Amino acid sequence: GDSVTQMEGPVTLSEEACLTINCTYTATGYPSLFWYVQYPGEGLQLLLKATKADDKGSNKGFEATYRKETTSFHLEKGSVQVSDSAVYFCALSDGSSASKIIFGSGTRLSIRP
Amino acid sequence: EPEVTQTPSHQVTQMGQEVILRCVPISNHLYFYWYRQILGQKVEFLVSFYNNEISEKSEIFDDQFSVERPDGSNFTLKIRSTKLEDSAMYFCASSESGAGGETQYFGPGTRLLVL
Repeated sequence: GDSVTQMEGPVTLSEEACLTINCTYTATGYPSLFWYVQYPGEGLQLLLKATKADDKGSNKGFEATYRKETTSFHLEKGSVQVSDSAVYFCALSDGSSASKIIFGSGTRLSIRP
Repeated sequence: EPEVTQTPSHQVTQMGQEVILRCVPISNHLYFYWYRQILGQKVEFLVSFYNNEISEKSEIFDDQFSVERPDGSNFTLKIRSTKLEDSAMYFCASSESGAGGETQYFGPGTRLLVL
């Protein structure tokens, strides 16, 4: 079945460092891809998404490009802030109606001041 | 901005007891979902619901689980006889349509602890 694999954490960076969190997927058909973020004590928030190959999703300085040839959707940010500390989930949904979201295992990111 | 709400935020129950977790989806949304996240593990799909019917359910969603939209605004998840392994954070989500790329909006979750 469909699945998502993302790099294990925790990832600890200093403020203003560059961030990459790797994510690859396995899916039949043409899934939509997402990054969700979970801040401490809060629920899941959509960070960005891409619905077809070569699309780039972006939000709050984060970017991810849907790469069909490498089945990847890596999350990147050029300069992280302390407020970016959270758990980041890569996810996909297939094209079916009422389609469920399949999540990766999550990567905990901690940013040092 | 409209948001999904869930009650209670925390629930502690004894093994074998019934629990009902409540969600109020965003008002113009038509598709509803429940997910759960066991501590330290990934978020897992439980069930999707549309037009007063279950659209899809996972292997986790066995006969102990049921969902209902009792009054046109609430969406509930019932666990009839809780087990220790049901302890998890339960997230409700809703979307305007069920299309694959449609954003699902998640509530803040209910943390269930079964003793």
